[in-house]
Amino acid sequence: AQSVAQPEDQVNVAEGNPLTVKCTYSVSGNPYLFWYVQYPNRGLQFLLKYITGDNLVKGSYGFEAEFNKSQTSFHLKKPSALVSDSALYFCAVRANTGGFKTIFGAGTRLFVKA
Amino acid sequence: NAGVTQTPKFRVLKTGQSMTLLCAQDMNHEYMYWYRQDPGMGLRLIHYSVGEGTTAKGEVPDGYNVSRLKKQNFLLGLESAAPSQTSVYFCASSFVGGGYEQYFGPGTRLTVT
Repeated sequence: AQSVAQPEDQVNVAEGNPLTVKCTYSVSGNPYLFWYVQYPNRGLQFLLKYITGDNLVKGSYGFEAEFNKSQTSFHLKKPSALVSDSALYFCAVRANTGGFKTIFGAGTRLFVKA
Repeated sequence: NAGVTQTPKFRVLKTGQSMTLLCAQDMNHEYMYWYRQDPGMGLRLIHYSVGEGTTAKGEVPDGYNVSRLKKQNFLLGLESAAPSQTSVYFCASSFVGGGYEQYFGPGTRLTVT
């Protein structure tokens, strides 16, 4: 069965510092992995995805994520956080072996302090 | 290009009432989804559709029905609303191929009293 874990309910970081939001997953076969961001009273917005190839993927707004197959992780990173990055972040996984279901993590709230 | 739109944005129902939530997308996506979002639980899939005229159950389908009569529209119905259906509902769509990343609507906040 597919599952996604975001071990931190909340991450606090100072503006200008690097940020990491953690995600681990479990899926049969090779995974499709995603990060989405949700701003208050808005729908989720796609940030980036990993399908295959380079383990470091780059996405919108300067975010990137590193796929680690041995640790089954897909952590979201940004070298220098902005106050405007404060939002709710969701990791998601979909198996590439068929089916149409994407499983979302519970979300991690990121607070960036000025 | 409006993307994914949802109507209404807010609704309050009494227990036992019925309603329909409408989702529309103008991106010609094949797949469409309905999710509910509850605090601390992420998104849970209610129903989904892989094409016009086809629907399938997701993780939490009980108490909901759906229809996809046109490719661009996906309707979610609540037959007899219950307080447990108080939630924020999101519609999403995705295209065939790639990683099937999803594009979300702005959500409908439903309260059942």
